Amino acid sequence: GQQLNQSPQSMFIQEGEDVSMNCTSSSIFNTWLWYKQDPGEGPVLLIALYKAGELTSNGRLTAQFGITRKDSFLNISASIPSDVGIYFCAGRRSYNPTGRRALTFGSGTRLQVQP
Amino acid sequence: NAGVTQTPKFQVLKTGQSMTLQCAQDMNHNSMYWYRQDPGMGLRLIYYSASEGTTDKGEVPNGYNVSRLNKREFSLRLESAAPSQTSVYFCASSDWPGGTDTQYFGPGTRLTVL
Repeated sequence: GQQLNQSPQSMFIQEGEDVSMNCTSSSIFNTWLWYKQDPGEGPVLLIALYKAGELTSNGRLTAQFGITRKDSFLNISASIPSDVGIYFCAGRRSYNPTGRRALTFGSGTRLQVQP
Repeated sequence: NAGVTQTPKFQVLKTGQSMTLQCAQDMNHNSMYWYRQDPGMGLRLIYYSASEGTTDKGEVPNGYNVSRLNKREFSLRLESAAPSQTSVYFCASSDWPGGTDTQYFGPGTRLTVL
């Protein structure tokens, strides 16, 4: 199936530092979504992107839809301990033979923040 | 407004046993989905339903059946559980068609098959 390459796999940072993570694909996507998953919980939507080049912020989080439509980036500024969790990118292609509205997920970036 | 709810939260089965995972949403969404999440991997789509009475296979449908009971409820059934089905199962819903199709997830069901 379609793969999304998400990196880094894990990060251990100090409180107050900025964080960057990204997802890349060999295929074009027409929607990019970023989710956060806390331990024992389901993913929660952080930011949704629908147009190439789009830059969207949600508080300290900023995400961008790459102009090639094959990648997306998430930045977290001034990290705090509650940012700990797993961050997933997800993309939807214009056409997906296994499900018209199916999302393809990256494998996640595990973020740990040292107070 | 509870969003997406799932029951049970935890379940242990023996190989060959059957069970049904329940999912309900109160957001009046048309589309509902079942995913599984395995360690170190992203979520993979099992089945989805774009409207009441319709269901379609996703990426990993083998060993599962689904029922879209009504607009609110979408159940996932394991007829004969296998250890390979040990996973965390997430239900999701979205307001497609007609909306942005952003998917909202339930809290998950943690299933262990011995």
